[in-house]
Amino acid sequence: DGGITQSPKYLFRKEGQNVTLSCEQNLNHDAMYWYRQDPGQGLRLIYYSQIVNDFQKGDIAEGYSVSREKKESFPLTVTSAQKNPTAFYLCASRFGTIQYFGAGTRLSVL
Amino acid sequence: DAKTTQPPSMDCAEGRAANLPCNHSTISGNEYVYWYRQIHSQGPQYIIHGLKNNETNEMASLIITEDRKSSTLILPHATLRDTAVYYCIVRVVKGAGGTSYGKLTFGQGTILTVHP
Repeated sequence: DGGITQSPKYLFRKEGQNVTLSCEQNLNHDAMYWYRQDPGQGLRLIYYSQIVNDFQKGDIAEGYSVSREKKESFPLTVTSAQKNPTAFYLCASRFGTIQYFGAGTRLSVL
Repeated sequence: DAKTTQPPSMDCAEGRAANLPCNHSTISGNEYVYWYRQIHSQGPQYIIHGLKNNETNEMASLIITEDRKSSTLILPHATLRDTAVYYCIVRVVKGAGGTSYGKLTFGQGTILTVHP
């Protein structure tokens, strides 16, 4: 099945710890995105990548980092500098003007 | 991108048509109307989009008024699985070849509840 796979579904972070959220797609899409969603809120853009080995900051990039070494993969690291990381994280890829989303990762702080 | 206004919630009986309105009175000539939905604790799902003509696909129909200041998403035969938050998004399609690199800005959306 073609699609976007995010893992893990649930993740817990300890104080001062970096954690990495995985996003893999087999749709052969060039562009990929990371969004954050807080309860009852819309999506906010963290980072996006238009092509391999290139990525740009979104609206709320502080405390996050990404890499795009392969077309299929766009992992997001939530660093210890992100003081309020508890949220629902969504990865998307784009074909034409349409973005397709993964099932999300729910991150909580222990 | 133009701002949109949607009712916070709507109800619909199973098997009936669900008509979800969206106002976008400040829409520009080069802005498209997109609809996504998000079922609880899942990622958003693309439904349909259009510029000025009415559009239909296997999921829904999109009716855009002639002045383009409002639109309606129609789910012709709503089922319980259509219960979700529905987002209307208006955005410019930028770049060469009509591709877009921009973010999606989701507002509060409409919570559609389909009842048995």
